[in-house]
Amino acid sequence: GQSLEQPSEVTAVEGAIVQINCTYQTSGFYGLSWYQQHDGGAPTFLSYNGLDGLEETGRFSSFLSRSDSYGYLLLQELQMKDSASYFCAVRYNFNKFYFGSGTKLNVKP
Amino acid sequence: DVKVTQSSRYLVKRTGEKVFLECVQDMDHENMFWYRQDPGLGLRLIYFSYDVKMKEKGDIPEGYSVSREKKERFSLILESASTNQTSMYLCASTNTGSSGNTIYFGEGSWLTVV
Repeated sequence: GQSLEQPSEVTAVEGAIVQINCTYQTSGFYGLSWYQQHDGGAPTFLSYNGLDGLEETGRFSSFLSRSDSYGYLLLQELQMKDSASYFCAVRYNFNKFYFGSGTKLNVKP
Repeated sequence: DVKVTQSSRYLVKRTGEKVFLECVQDMDHENMFWYRQDPGLGLRLIYFSYDVKMKEKGDIPEGYSVSREKKERFSLILESASTNQTSMYLCASTNTGSSGNTIYFGEGSWLTVV
């Protein structure tokens, strides 16, 4: 089976940096993705790590360590619009995706 | 832009009714998914289809069935709706291979079973 663990809620102030961790136990692991979901909206893709290391996309970065079964999403220069839920998801057995329960990020002024 | 369209955003159905949720994608993706999202539980995979007429059970298939007669269309069927199936249902699609790292989601269907 698959399992993912991520914190349920994180609070940070505008302009700060926040890191959301994700640990996984997965058979047939291919890679780790991150998705953002605003209240009432659909999840949207943020990043994907298939190999170890850091991927950077603007203010967002994502990291993967396959040997540690661990990854994180780093959000820099937080803005109020970053308040949302963030899901890590493992891609496994080539074409399947398993999602964590999500981390609600609250950005305060 | 990839578009995944779910035909119904909000539905209210009675217990025991048969419910159809329709999903269409316009990017010729091989893979389509139905997820269920409940507070605190994240997204749970109900069914997955990797080709026309092909399907695989996900983590919570009980009480659901699916149909994929055309590549662009993937339907979720609740044979006899129950109150514990009140939830938000998300349809999604991806390509196969390295271009399939991104999942594209529809806007969701909010189903209430009374």
